[in-house]
Amino acid sequence: EPEVTQTPSHQVTQMGQEVILRCVPISNHLYFYWYRQILGQKVEFLVSFYNNEISEKSEIFDDQFSVERPDGSNFTLKIRSTKLEDSAMYFCASSARGKGSYNEQFFGPGTRLTVL
Amino acid sequence: QQQVKQSPQSLIVQKGGISIINCAYENTAFDYFPWYQQFPGKGPALLIAIRPDVSEKKEGRFTISFNKSAKQFSLHIMDSQPGDSATYFCAAAHGGSQGNLIFGKGTKLSVKP
Repeated sequence: EPEVTQTPSHQVTQMGQEVILRCVPISNHLYFYWYRQILGQKVEFLVSFYNNEISEKSEIFDDQFSVERPDGSNFTLKIRSTKLEDSAMYFCASSARGKGSYNEQFFGPGTRLTVL
Repeated sequence: QQQVKQSPQSLIVQKGGISIINCAYENTAFDYFPWYQQFPGKGPALLIAIRPDVSEKKEGRFTISFNKSAKQFSLHIMDSQPGDSATYFCAAAHGGSQGNLIFGKGTKLSVKP
C-alpha cells in the first residue's frame, strides 16, 4: 500500500539554525500539506501546496518557513532560523484531490524536531 | 469561528463497551468532518468521515452521528477493543479550503481488557 514517508524521524538542532524536513508524498497525489503537533496538543495546519505554489497558509507559517518541491518526488519544509517554540512533530500529508472536493489526506509518520 | 471543540480529553472504557467522543464547531461553512486515529509515534490515519447531507455513517464498529442544526458530531466505537486504544481527533474542513483540516484537541482512549 502506498504511503507518505518522511525523513529524518528525529532532528535535533540549535536555536537559530536552519533545518529542512523532507517528505515523499504518495506518487500520484497532487496536493501536499504540512501540519505540526506540539507535544500533547492538537494537530495544526501550516501550509498547503499545489501546482508548485502555496495554496493556503496559516498564521503559524511566517517568513521563517518555506516549502519547495525540488523534484518530482520530494516535498520539503524549511525553517530558516529555528526557535525553541518550533519544537514539535511535523507531519507531511498528501491527497489526490483538493479544492472543491472532499479529499482524504494521507499523513506521514512525522519528523520530531527538537530545538535546543 | 475556526475552532473545533472536542471532548472528553481522555476516556477509559471496558472491553466490549461503547466509546463516545463528541465534537462541536461554529463555522457553518465546514462541509467535511473526518475522524483520525493516531497511535503513539505514528501519523494520524483517517478512520471515517461524513458530509453534512447525512445524519449518520457507519463503517464496521465505527459510527459518526452528525447534527447539523446543533453543529455537533460524534464518534461511536461499538464493542471497543484494547487495539482501539489510541488518540482520536475530529476535524473539519470546507470544500474551498484545499483541504485545510481544522483539528480538535484529541481524545486519548484507553480500552481495558
